[in-house]
Amino acid sequence: DSGVTQTPKHLITATGQRVTLRCSPRSGDLSVYWYQQSLDQGLQFLIHYYNGEERAKGNILERFSAQQFPDLHSELNLSSLELGDSALYFCASSDNLLGYEQYFGPGTRLTVT
Amino acid sequence: AQKITQTQPGMFVQEKEAVTLDCTYDTSDQSYGLFWYKQPSSGEMIFLIYQGSYDEQNATEGRYSLNFQKARKSANLVISASQLGDSAMYFCAMREGPTGNQFYFGTGTSLTVIP
Repeated sequence: DSGVTQTPKHLITATGQRVTLRCSPRSGDLSVYWYQQSLDQGLQFLIHYYNGEERAKGNILERFSAQQFPDLHSELNLSSLELGDSALYFCASSDNLLGYEQYFGPGTRLTVT
Repeated sequence: AQKITQTQPGMFVQEKEAVTLDCTYDTSDQSYGLFWYKQPSSGEMIFLIYQGSYDEQNATEGRYSLNFQKARKSANLVISASQLGDSAMYFCAMREGPTGNQFYFGTGTSLTVIP
């Protein structure tokens, strides 16, 4: 158990809908990272928050947004969902800004039908 | 150009033997970091080892060591004394940039340990 929790574990929704994925980092970790893992794109970095502030954006679509709250949990919002958004979404946390030794949550499996 | 290249889609190793998983990277940054992660069939991602670009010694964590060859831009993972539980997908990744870091992952190598 990495200490990072993600909810829900599975999510099935229809095209055009909006969903929110939630992540609670390990106790004391200020950095939260979001990743998408799909069969065709592999593992892709989406976004990084540190202590509530956005630090870096990767291949995150404009339909996606994220935030980190004062209690350090983070949410990833996916809207206008398309079939191609079906993937495993990971959240990871670390206790440093550079992102070494990231601990991953179990992931949220999103299926868009 | 690919930022991270893992050329071995699948590897087999005999239990108790050592195995090397290859990884090459592409960056023009001076400050970067290299990671290896393990993903068992259960799906979770497990951090194994990290090497910073300025680290002079190769990183080691238990049975894992990272063979860092900066001039060749390679960061191979060596697993010594393989165990059946090492069977998994292994991903090489890179952090690029001193701030506002971007992270890039390779396509992975599937390792199977044979009893």
